[in-house]
Amino acid sequence: SQTIHQWPATLVQPVGSPLSLECTVEGTSNPNLYWYRQAAGRGLQLLFYSVGIGQISSEVPQNLSASRPQDRQFILSSKKLLLSDSGFYLCALAVSSGRLGEQFFGPGTRLTVL
Amino acid sequence: SQQGEEDPQALSIQEGENATMNCSYKTSINNLQWYRQNSGRGLVHLILIRSNEREKHSGRLRVTLDTSKKSSSLLITASRAADTASYFCATDNFGNEKLTFGTGTRLTIIP
Repeated sequence: SQTIHQWPATLVQPVGSPLSLECTVEGTSNPNLYWYRQAAGRGLQLLFYSVGIGQISSEVPQNLSASRPQDRQFILSSKKLLLSDSGFYLCALAVSSGRLGEQFFGPGTRLTVL
Repeated sequence: SQQGEEDPQALSIQEGENATMNCSYKTSINNLQWYRQNSGRGLVHLILIRSNEREKHSGRLRVTLDTSKKSSSLLITASRAADTASYFCATDNFGNEKLTFGTGTRLTIIP
């Protein structure tokens, strides 16, 4: 079965500092990978998704970027964090087999920008 | 933008009662899914209903889908304290490789 690892679990960063959140998956090959952000008490906002190595689709223009250097690795980055970047960041995968099914979520990273 | 809108935003019921949550969406879908999120955790997939299905059951969960009204409902029967969580619907739109999540219903089961 699929397993998703995210680290760190929590992170406190000053405004203007860089960010790198990593997501790695096990138990599947060539998955679709997703980065979501969730503000406190709110729904999920899709930030980026990837259907393969080096393929990134951006959903919301902002100061974040994503990369997929390996099939099972998805990285979310920022050069300079803003206060509004605070939130709960979730990585998810979907098994790509021609029809979209359920998504499996990692444990999340709680980011606080001060 | 969020296509799905859950209703109500928050629901509190006594343990043992049934809980019903609704989801409305705007465009044609391939399938609709329901997820649960415990506080501070990732989402867990509960059930998927395809556009050609009208009702689906899984344990204490019952999901209905009305494509003419673009709406779905999630019924949790005989609720338990462990059902306390946020519940989200998500739609899979044709031609996309992604899901669109709703805003969620916060369910609290009172022991």
